[in-house]
Amino acid sequence: GAVVSQHPSWVICKSGTSVKIECRSLDFQATTMFWYRQFPKQSLMLMATSNEGSKATYEQGVEKDKFLINHASLTLSTLTVTSAHPEDSSFYICSASGLAKQFFGPGTRLTVL
Amino acid sequence: GNSVTQMEGPVTLSEEAFLTINCTYTATGYPSLFWYVQYPGEGLQLLLKATKADDKGSNKGFEATYRKETTSFHLEKGSVQVSDSAVYFCALSDRGSGGGADGLTFGKGTHLIIQP
Repeated sequence: GAVVSQHPSWVICKSGTSVKIECRSLDFQATTMFWYRQFPKQSLMLMATSNEGSKATYEQGVEKDKFLINHASLTLSTLTVTSAHPEDSSFYICSASGLAKQFFGPGTRLTVL
Repeated sequence: GNSVTQMEGPVTLSEEAFLTINCTYTATGYPSLFWYVQYPGEGLQLLLKATKADDKGSNKGFEATYRKETTSFHLEKGSVQVSDSAVYFCALSDRGSGGGADGLTFGKGTHLIIQP
């Protein structure tokens, strides 16, 4: 099946710094990618929809200036958490749309100290 | 807004036992419904789906029937194996497109543990 990778798989950073997470579709082209966030023992929450070559669409309550999304090619979307704070610590998961399905990456664990 | 509620885990069963994981939903319109499975260290994988009322999704011995009257999509398997141990997520796509082009609304996930 289609493979989606995320990098890094985990990252620890200091408060106030920015962190970039990459999401790649390895064997198919994805015009649409999605970014989700998961807190411990909670469901995945959709943060934004990323379309190649256009601005991302953010869900209500998600700060677009804090969570910058770039989808510059059909195989790569990036999520940058700017000026990260401890409350941004979470598990971030991307998915890529292809073949009328969504294929999920393994997730990135972000810890902000 | 949309929401998905699924039973809390962990659910611990013996091998060959019958499995039911309950899932109910709230949505406008006619959503598509999904079950995803996540094995340790891996991304979510689509297990099965149903796109309209009374449809039954099935895969790998798992089944779920889209019940509009009870707004439910319970996951069942007649005889579980140790290899079925994973986290199972119920989800919906509210535009009924099949989940490809729309963001999904997920339940909290149910951790299933199968003991030999």
